[in-house]
Amino acid sequence: GQNIDQPTEMTATEGAIVQINCTYQTSGFNGLFWYQQHAGEAPTFLSYNVLDGLEEKGRFSSFLSRSKGYSYLLLKELQMKDSASYLCAVRVPSGTYKYIFGTGTRLKVLA
Amino acid sequence: NAGVMQNPRHLVRRRGQEARLRCSPMKGHSHVYWYRQLPEEGLKFMVYLQKENIIDESGMPKERFSAEFPKEGPSILRIQQVVRGDSAAYFCASSPSTSGGLNTQYFGPGTRLTVL
Repeated sequence: GQNIDQPTEMTATEGAIVQINCTYQTSGFNGLFWYQQHAGEAPTFLSYNVLDGLEEKGRFSSFLSRSKGYSYLLLKELQMKDSASYLCAVRVPSGTYKYIFGTGTRLKVLA
Repeated sequence: NAGVMQNPRHLVRRRGQEARLRCSPMKGHSHVYWYRQLPEEGLKFMVYLQKENIIDESGMPKERFSAEFPKEGPSILRIQQVVRGDSAAYFCASSPSTSGGLNTQYFGPGTRLTVL
């Protein structure tokens, strides 16, 4: 089976740091992706991990531990515009590949 | 380079009618994925296609739903005899022919289907 878990909602304050966790159990693994989705809009790509460790990209970082089936997205210096849903997705082999998404974490950034 | 195009952006149908959703992938992309998203929920995988082939349709309901990606033209997701439960946002995504590595998928703006 394929299962990806994320918290449903999180709230943080402008300027703070927030960590959004994702755990997964999938049949096969070929990379973990984080997407940002503002209400009523399409998801946009944020980050990609295929090896264990931390990938940093400006204010956003993503971490992966394959042995634990665990990833997190770290957002620093939060801004109001970061209020959005954050989707964790695992790419799994299927012919070539397909993507399994978690239900997403709705982040509210408060002033 | 234009992004993934979807049309229509909004579609209203009455129960029992047919809905046709179109997706034109990014230039050079030959892999297309369709997802459904209900309000306040995540993306549910429906079907994965390459040109003229359905690779994985494990997420597609067995009845009323079909998808194609012909050699020429856009990918089409077709829903026959729509019911109110089909109301959702339908997103298409495309990725390059060489999948794997950082070849992630890119999403279109979605089609919001409302069934009256």
